[in-house]
Amino acid sequence: DAGITQSPRHKVTETGTPVTLRCHQTENHRYMYWYRQDPGHGLRLIHYSYGVKDTDKGEVSDGYSVSRSKTEDFLLTLESATSSQTSVYFCATAQAAWGFAGELFFGEGSRLTVL
Amino acid sequence: TQLLEQSPQFLSIQEGENLTVYCNSSSVFSSLQWYRQEPGEGPVLLVTVVTGGEVKKLKRLTFQFGDARKDSSLHITAAQPGDTGLYLCAGGETSGSRLTFGEGTQLTVNP
Repeated sequence: DAGITQSPRHKVTETGTPVTLRCHQTENHRYMYWYRQDPGHGLRLIHYSYGVKDTDKGEVSDGYSVSRSKTEDFLLTLESATSSQTSVYFCATAQAAWGFAGELFFGEGSRLTVL
Repeated sequence: TQLLEQSPQFLSIQEGENLTVYCNSSSVFSSLQWYRQEPGEGPVLLVTVVTGGEVKKLKRLTFQFGDARKDSSLHITAAQPGDTGLYLCAGGETSGSRLTFGEGTQLTVNP
């Protein structure tokens, strides 16, 4: 267990409102990721970070932004939530990059419903 | 983005039966991982394979990486209700910059 906590765990919001999900880790892992999980799609990468203030886009980044001001915190922001962003969001961390077959440690997920 | 296809998507079997889950792609991966996810939790790593043809065993679970590093399989012998869960394969792209997940296989083992 890499000590990853996500907040909030559940959130219901309305279309057009901003939403921020927080991921906090206590293992000092360099790499952090945000995924969304939807039926039939598995896990899809939204954004990832390879260091403080170093972030990059994943395959489904439109409508999302991230920030990492400290090693332990990685924030995912939906500037203006839409119903298509209803999903379960997972944060993950890793000591090593994927190229080194690093293990991903996942949080318990944040269920977001956009009405 | 490299794609991974898992089959079957759903599998319901009786306790004691054997099963195989497949993970296929037309692309080459530098490594292949298998995760298991239970309801309300995040995925947990079961195994990583990195060499073409590699076989790893974890108790009743056997994992194989294809010779060409484009596919993988997970075989469970004498399945138990505790094996119930969502099994996800994930491939590390050769560029080292992304990890691609398959859609997952939902396994239910009935007592």
